[in-house]
Amino acid sequence: DIQMTQSPSSLSASVGDRVTITCRASQSISSYLNWYQQKPGKAPKLLIYAASSLQSGVPSRFSGSGSGTDFTLTISSLQPEDFATYYCQQSYSTPIFTFGPGTKVDIK
Amino acid sequence: EVQLVESGGGLVQPGGSLRLSCAASGFTVSSNYMSWVRQAPGKGLEWVSVIYSGGSTYYADSVKGRFTISRHNSKNTLYLQMNSLRAEDTAVYYCARVVLYSSGYYYYYMDVWGKGTTVTVSS
Repeated sequence: DIQMTQSPSSLSASVGDRVTITCRASQSISSYLNWYQQKPGKAPKLLIYAASSLQSGVPSRFSGSGSGTDFTLTISSLQPEDFATYYCQQSYSTPIFTFGPGTKVDIK
Repeated sequence: EVQLVESGGGLVQPGGSLRLSCAASGFTVSSNYMSWVRQAPGKGLEWVSVIYSGGSTYYADSVKGRFTISRHNSKNTLYLQMNSLRAEDTAVYYCARVVLYSSGYYYYYMDVWGKGTTVTVSS
């Protein structure tokens, strides 16, 4: 089974900061990597699919990169509405979808 | 508007059963892959099950043999039948549409999610 890890597990940042979250797969998953944002009490929201494709309607300050085993989600300038938990998800082993453990971004 | 609305959650005793529903609007359930994802209190997201448009079904090892995913085409509704429930099945259960994106390769992602329904397994 493919295992997903994320780092850091949490971070504190200020509005306007550049934020980078890393996701690592236990084996190569090419570009089969998605990113989701979840706010407390809400459903997850798709941000990035296929490692670097921005979902329609998602602000361009969000970007994704990477392939193989190492991936990055970057928020270029953190906004107040971006404080949330971020999850990566692999779809390489579809129909099995595995999520990472999440990275919580909160206010410094 | 594309929308998913879950229902059917509640409190159930260990060993009991529950059926969750996910009513779709704005698209056809049977033409898409559909999935269930759960989130235990204070924990991360866990994929539970998927049903393909062709009808094939797949499950996480943690629920295999106890949960059954299905759909009712004329009602445009997805279901999750949960039997032999355990305390560790306590979670918010989300249904989600799984989309295929093709660019030479086939990428899958979950683009529409319901708001979730809460299942509590406790005596």
